[in-house]
Amino acid sequence: AQSVAQPEDQVNVAEGNPLTVKCTYSVSGNPYLFWYVQYPNRGLQFLLKYITGDNLVKGSYGFEAEFNKSQTSFHLKKPSALVSDSALYFCAVRDMGDYKLSFGAGTTVTVRA
Amino acid sequence: NAGVTQTPKFQVLKTGQSMTLQCAQDMNHNSMYWYRQDPGMGLRLIYYSASEGTTDKGEVPNGYNVSRLNKREFSLRLESAAPSQTSVYFCASSDGAEQYFGPGTRLTVT
Repeated sequence: AQSVAQPEDQVNVAEGNPLTVKCTYSVSGNPYLFWYVQYPNRGLQFLLKYITGDNLVKGSYGFEAEFNKSQTSFHLKKPSALVSDSALYFCAVRDMGDYKLSFGAGTTVTVRA
Repeated sequence: NAGVTQTPKFQVLKTGQSMTLQCAQDMNHNSMYWYRQDPGMGLRLIYYSASEGTTDKGEVPNGYNVSRLNKREFSLRLESAAPSQTSVYFCASSDGAEQYFGPGTRLTVT
């Protein structure tokens, strides 16, 4: 079985400050890890993924995430948040040999001006 | 290149009515998926199709059926709608790693 936990329902930061959205996962085999963002009344947009290789993954809009195997975590980070980063963020995982993604419950990020 | 398209965008049904949600992708992806999104629950997989000609149940398949009509199209059918099926439905497609999502269908069952 595979699962994802996003321990924070909401994250609030000031514009220009660092942004971190936490994610931990559980899979039986090797994980494929993903971050998606959802703006109001829109579908999910792919931000970045970890499949293999470098533990630090860079993605769209200045976001990055670090894969930590020992802590089974894949936290999303942005060095300097923008008001336009305010959205709902989902972490997702699948086992390397599986087709199915499991999503976390989502974290709402609010960046205040 | 439209990506993943879904119709309709909005739908209101009465309990017991049936309807089909349509999904199409133009990226030549092998795998397609149907999810529902409910507040505080993330996305839950209803059905998926790993390749043309195959379909499999996901986490919450009860009350739904699917058809993989061809490589491009994957439809979701509600035979007898229930208020518990009020949700936002997303279709997605993939050809390996990440999935690409459609804009969603907001369904209300009264």
